[in-house]
Amino acid sequence: DAKTTQPPSMDCAEGRAANLPCNHSTISGNEYVYWYRQIHSQGPQYIIHGLKNNETNEMASLIITEDRKSSTLILPHATLRDTAVYYCIVRALNAGNNRKLIWGLGTSLAVNP
Amino acid sequence: GAGVSQSPSNKVTEKGKDVELRCDPISGHTALYWYRQSLGQGLEFLIYFQGNSAPDKSGLPSDRFSAERTGGSVSTLTIQRTQQEDSAVYLCASSQDLNIQYFGAGTRLSVL
Repeated sequence: DAKTTQPPSMDCAEGRAANLPCNHSTISGNEYVYWYRQIHSQGPQYIIHGLKNNETNEMASLIITEDRKSSTLILPHATLRDTAVYYCIVRALNAGNNRKLIWGLGTSLAVNP
Repeated sequence: GAGVSQSPSNKVTEKGKDVELRCDPISGHTALYWYRQSLGQGLEFLIYFQGNSAPDKSGLPSDRFSAERTGGSVSTLTIQRTQQEDSAVYLCASSQDLNIQYFGAGTRLSVL
């Protein structure tokens, strides 16, 4: 079972920031938080990951709470092309041979003009 | 460089037939994963290859499903005696640093 919970859907106005929450209350100390997104009819695309510090790259920012039980993915200026399903996943960096990702249902983000 | 390539992009078959799905990973990536995604669902792990290690087959749903990876590169997922419940999008991903997975566009399998 997925170790994360996300709202099933969200809306955002074009040009505004999209803040996508994720709860991972049972996260272990060695588990990272990963975000992927899947645009319709495409394979998932990696966005960002982090352990405990906030992270930023050209696509998004990741804010992780101090207790690491939740995080927020921020798309600072959402565009129509950001409409997709966003998946939050937790996984240990060194998980032996068990390196598969456990996927939930994600959040379907609709960016509206 | 080239990304993960999957073929065919679409496959329609009749119940009971065998199908082969192909994945060409990113060159140099040592890890390769197969997932299945049913309509409106998240991804379901099927099998994982890492270098010369024994593959992790824990996600294969039945013995009708098998996969191989030749020469540490191209992989083939084979489904024997297909059933209608096998209809899904089959996604392949490859990874170099075991952190970030790069996905192909998938093969949409329809079993009539």
